[in-house]
Amino acid sequence: EVQLVESGGGLVQPGESLTLSCAASGFSFESYWVGWVRQAPGKGLEWVANIKQDGAEKYYVDSVRGRFTISRDNAKDSLYLQMNSLRAEDTAVYYCARARGDGHSRYFDNWGQGTLVTVSS
Amino acid sequence: SYELTQPPSVSVSPGQTASITCSGDKLGDKYVSWSQQKPGQSPMLIIYQDSNRPSGIPERFSGSNSGNTATLTISGTQDLDEADYYCQVWDTNTPATFGGGTKLTVL
Repeated sequence: EVQLVESGGGLVQPGESLTLSCAASGFSFESYWVGWVRQAPGKGLEWVANIKQDGAEKYYVDSVRGRFTISRDNAKDSLYLQMNSLRAEDTAVYYCARARGDGHSRYFDNWGQGTLVTVSS
Repeated sequence: SYELTQPPSVSVSPGQTASITCSGDKLGDKYVSWSQQKPGQSPMLIIYQDSNRPSGIPERFSGSNSGNTATLTISGTQDLDEADYYCQVWDTNTPATFGGGTKLTVL
């Protein structure tokens, strides 16, 4: 069974940093693109970042580029999101998600339970 | 960046057919997936690559994509189908764009 378990969320003040982790199990983690998707309270889904199987390609939504860094450790079956200079608008539940498919046909087929990040003074 | 537009809400009576649209420029040239999210739960994939259903997803869920519009169709809608639905595309320039979501109400 595919499992994605996020951790690391919490309450931080504006300008502070936080690192999210996602532990994967039940599949060959190194064979898949994975990413982070967030959902602000009462709002829709927003893609945040993706990373290729070997970590050689990384993509970010404009609003986090330069502040967030996605990374992975295939030896530990883990995905990370380093978040710096956090803002109130980064407050959201952050989901780790696995992607399947190739190129333009790619899609997220499995999601974690999410971890809540609250940025507030 | 690429944009996907969904109606904020759709209502349907039990047993009837619900259609949820997702619009974008030349969307028919892209592959669309759909996810369902119930309150307090994580999203769940229900349609991928326009019209394919993952294992375990009921046959009453179907999808199509042509021109500028993709459509998620739920035939014989049940109370348990009440949820938020999101379309998504994966584009070279903007990976993993989501539509704004549609709240399906089963009246």
